[in-house]
Amino acid sequence: KAGVTQTPRYLIKTRGQQVTLSCSPISGHRSVSWYQQTPGQGLQFLFEYFSETQRNKGNFPGRFSGRQFSNSRSEMNVSTLELGDSALYLCASSTVLAGEFETQYFGPGTRLLVL
Amino acid sequence: AQSVTQLGSHVSVSEGALVLLRCNYSSSVPPYLFWYVQYPNQGLQLLLKYTSAATLVKGINGFEAEFKKSETSFHLTKPSAHMSDAAEYFCAVRTSGSRLTFGEGTQLTVNP
Repeated sequence: KAGVTQTPRYLIKTRGQQVTLSCSPISGHRSVSWYQQTPGQGLQFLFEYFSETQRNKGNFPGRFSGRQFSNSRSEMNVSTLELGDSALYLCASSTVLAGEFETQYFGPGTRLLVL
Repeated sequence: AQSVTQLGSHVSVSEGALVLLRCNYSSSVPPYLFWYVQYPNQGLQLLLKYTSAATLVKGINGFEAEFKKSETSFHLTKPSAHMSDAAEYFCAVRTSGSRLTFGEGTQLTVNP
């Protein structure tokens, strides 16, 4: 089975711009989560989607948004980029069995640099 | 709230020596605990997970972890370090749904 794929892998933007990152989960996985990783804050949860519905949201401003499509692929969007948004953005997917969310498997990440 | 704390942001061992990476959890309910490894410029790879089936959990690459409720710990060990083990290691607890809360990470250096 192919793993979690994320596109693009690297991105350079300038302050004030917006960006959209894409994540394709492992085939059959219907839950997708996003995390932000920075040297200062570590790994922080952004949001979680299951069956096109946002189930959980982390403590991030409204500039960060996401969505999930019917094929389970997910996108996250950051509007009005700030320098502090420079980070590695990780996507993870998991299955759901009998109502239990199983182990998350991570993609390689998208490294965003905001200038 | 469920959380994990990793003791030691940097650990250095010699090749062939025991690796011990510490993780303590805080949870009012039986936790689901995980160890992930991250190599430079890569995502997170699952090493092992604890889901209450057994207290000693064996993972990939010779790693194992023991769940100790009395000590609220889930330390990661490997009997003999290899140069390829150099990476950053994260302990995590599942808090709700599939959401994970991570520790601060421990950078492991393996010296020849």
